[in-house]
This record gives sequence, C-alpha cells and structure tokens, in this order.
Amino acid sequence: KAGVTQTPRYLIKTRGQQVTLSCSPISGHRSVSWYQQTPGQGLQFLFEYFSETQRNKGNFPGRFSGRQFSNSRSEMNVSTLELGDSALYLCASSWGNDEQYFGPGTRLTVT
Amino acid sequence: QQPVQSPQAVILREGEDAVINCSSSKALYSVHWYRQKHGEAPVFLMILLKGGEQKGHEKISASFNEKKQQSSLYLTASQLSYSGTYFCGTRGSGNTGKLIFGQGTTLQVKP
Repeated sequence: KAGVTQTPRYLIKTRGQQVTLSCSPISGHRSVSWYQQTPGQGLQFLFEYFSETQRNKGNFPGRFSGRQFSNSRSEMNVSTLELGDSALYLCASSWGNDEQYFGPGTRLTVT
Repeated sequence: QQPVQSPQAVILREGEDAVINCSSSKALYSVHWYRQKHGEAPVFLMILLKGGEQKGHEKISASFNEKKQQSSLYLTASQLSYSGTYFCGTRGSGNTGKLIFGQGTTLQVKP
C-alpha cells in the first residue's frame, strides 16, 4: 500500500509570496492533519480535515489555511509568507482517530 | 495545551533502559507515542486510551495514568535502532479532539 505523499518536497519562496502544499493520504484514510516542525519546537498542530470538513484547528494566524477534497487529498496554503514560516511541513493521514501515518514533509524556506 | 516531556535528552549505552515521561495539565482521552529518526518522518509506536485500551507495537511498553494525566514510555534493553526523537501526543477532548504533541525527547544509544 502506497504511503502518504507530499509535494513539493522542497520549496524556496520570498517574503510576501504565497505557497500551496499538497498531501495525498493513504488510500482509504479520511483524516488528514498538518503540522509545522521547526528545530526545538516539536510538531505544532495546524489543522485537521476529516471527510472534507475542518475538524480541528491549531493556534496559527489566518494566513494559514487548508482544504480537503472529496478524494481525501488535502492542500494547505500560506499567504503573505514571513521568514518565520520557514519550516518542515508534515501531513499525516489516518483512517479515523487512530494511528497517524506521516508523509516525508515539504521543506519550505522563506528568504 | 502542549504536553510536557521529560527528560529533554538522554544518552544510553546499548542494553540499558530508559523511561520517557509525558504529562498534561488537562484531562486526557488518549496518549500517542511516535519516534522520528533524523531526516525521516515520525513513525507511530503506540496509542493508550482512557479506560486502559492500548494499540501498538508489541515490543513497545507504555503506561497511562488517567488520574495524573501522565504517560510513560519504557525502552528496555535499548538497541542502536532506538535512537531518535520521541514525541508524545495527547487528545484531551474525546476521540475527535486535536492531537497536540510535546516538544520531544532526544534519545541517543551508543555502542
């Protein structure tokens, strides 16, 4: 069974630009969660989508948004990028509320 | 509220034991444990649910004290492959609440 895939794997953007990251979950998984990982900060929860509905949201500004499509694929968007948005963005899928399977992440660098 | 993990880092020799703790100030529904090796995605280890149910790898041992909102991960007879960063995640609002991760505990096992 194919794992969670994320595209692109690496991205370099300039301050003020916007970016869209994509996540394809494991087939049959209905939940997709997004996390931001920076050195020393662990895994910061961004949001979770379940069956196309945002089920949970973390404490990030409104510049961070996401959505989930009918095939469970998910995208997250960050507008007006700031230097502090540089991080590894991980998505994780699960069937429901059990173990999460993480993708390899998208490394975003904002210059 | 982010759970607190202790210790932040630990160094072991092969064959030694270690305990990683995770505590929360809120009542917990479940505790999840993941391990992330350098440059890789986090990998699921175990879920401990309120009421005593556990799901996870047979070789991993953990406990969940519901009254104290604490969980401990027991790594016995450590192997080099145990090295990595261990994260605990907690759900406090029932089965569909957001999964919030601690800052991680870095474990290094030396020969």
